Amino acid sequence: AQSVTQPDIHITVSEGASLELRCNYSYGATPYLFWYVQSPGQGLQLLLKYFSGDTLVQGIKGFEAEFKRSQSSFNLRKPSVHWSDAAEYFCAVGAGGAGSYQLTFGKGTKLSVIP
Amino acid sequence: ETGVTQSPTHLIKTRGQQVTLRCSSQSGHNTVSWYQQALGQGPQFIFQYYREEENGRGNFPPRFSGLQFPNYSSELNVNALELDDSALYLCASSVRGVTEAFFGQGTRLTVV
Repeated sequence: AQSVTQPDIHITVSEGASLELRCNYSYGATPYLFWYVQSPGQGLQLLLKYFSGDTLVQGIKGFEAEFKRSQSSFNLRKPSVHWSDAAEYFCAVGAGGAGSYQLTFGKGTKLSVIP
Repeated sequence: ETGVTQSPTHLIKTRGQQVTLRCSSQSGHNTVSWYQQALGQGPQFIFQYYREEENGRGNFPPRFSGLQFPNYSSELNVNALELDDSALYLCASSVRGVTEAFFGQGTRLTVV
């Protein structure tokens, strides 16, 4: 069965600083990987996704993530954090077949931003 | 193009009661998935519907059931509510064969 580990429960960064959120996955085949963001009491917004091809993927709001198969990782990065980035971030792996799949999420990393 | 909409946004139920949550898929999407997100946790997959049939199920008991309608909207039904069913319930729609899912804002269910 697939699984996702987000080692950091809570991260605090200063506005303008760089950010890296860690994600490790376990899945037997080539994974579909996602990062979602959730503001308090809200649903999930897709930041970016990896299906195949270029291992560095660009997303919305200036985020990027790099797929490293050898490390089973898909870390999320942003060069300069804005106060509006404060939220909870979830990494997910999509598993299934025939065009149908289910997402398995990590427990999330809460990001706080100091002005 | 409308997004995924869920109703109601909040509700409170008593233990032992039954509840129905509703989801309207994004236009053009034919697959609906439901997730349960307990406080402080990541979402957990409940089940998925495609062409009005269940197409995958997570580790949830049979008292969690669903429906998908011809217009691709969906319902999640939970019978015999337990206190641990208190959570944010998220609906996600997608196009079968295309792998990204779009989520609604969720329904916050509180069981007392």
